[in-house]
Amino acid sequence: GAVVSQHPSRVICKSGTSVKIECRSLDFQATTMFWYRQFPKKSLMLMATSNEGSKATYEQGVEKDKFLINHASLTLSTLTVTSAHPEDSSFYICSATGDRDYGYTFGSGTRLTVV
Amino acid sequence: AQSVTQLDSQVPVFEEAPVELRCNYSSSVSVYLFWYVQYPNQGLQLLLKYLSGSTLVKGINGFEAEFNKSQTSFHLRKPSVHISDTAEYFCAVSRGNTGKLIFGQGTTLQVKP
Repeated sequence: GAVVSQHPSRVICKSGTSVKIECRSLDFQATTMFWYRQFPKKSLMLMATSNEGSKATYEQGVEKDKFLINHASLTLSTLTVTSAHPEDSSFYICSATGDRDYGYTFGSGTRLTVV
Repeated sequence: AQSVTQLDSQVPVFEEAPVELRCNYSSSVSVYLFWYVQYPNQGLQLLLKYLSGSTLVKGINGFEAEFNKSQTSFHLRKPSVHISDTAEYFCAVSRGNTGKLIFGQGTTLQVKP
């Protein structure tokens, strides 16, 4: 079946630094990838839609300059949290879709802690 | 705009008992419906999905859900739960096959021995 790999699973960074999170589709070509953010004991909030070879589409209220998304190939999308602050600490999850039969496959998530 | 309401934030149940997790949605257009399960500190695993066709959808791990258009519901059921089913369950709706999912607030299923 479809597999999406997300790396790293956990990261701790200092306030003011940048962190990159990778999302890879391992056995299918993901024309579209999605980035979600999940707060503790809360639901998932869609941050942005990433299409291969074009600029990401951000949801209302999401700062595009803080959350940089790149989708350079059909199997890789990256989310970079720039100038991270403690309030950016969260669980970030990507999902990918390339074909209706695959549905929407999620990565295993990245726990970001900014200290 | 679409929205999803999961009516129960927590559902405690004893092992081997049946369970139903409720989900209602609102949308003015046709939607696709999904149930996902999330274990602590992990991503989401698809349990089942409704795209079209039969309104009774069977998924993995013995779960099933029924799409009810008139009641705009997509409740998840399992006839006999196991301790290992303890997790967070999310109902989600997608407008067509766009891939953009709107999630409910989640229901914590607590299976007790």
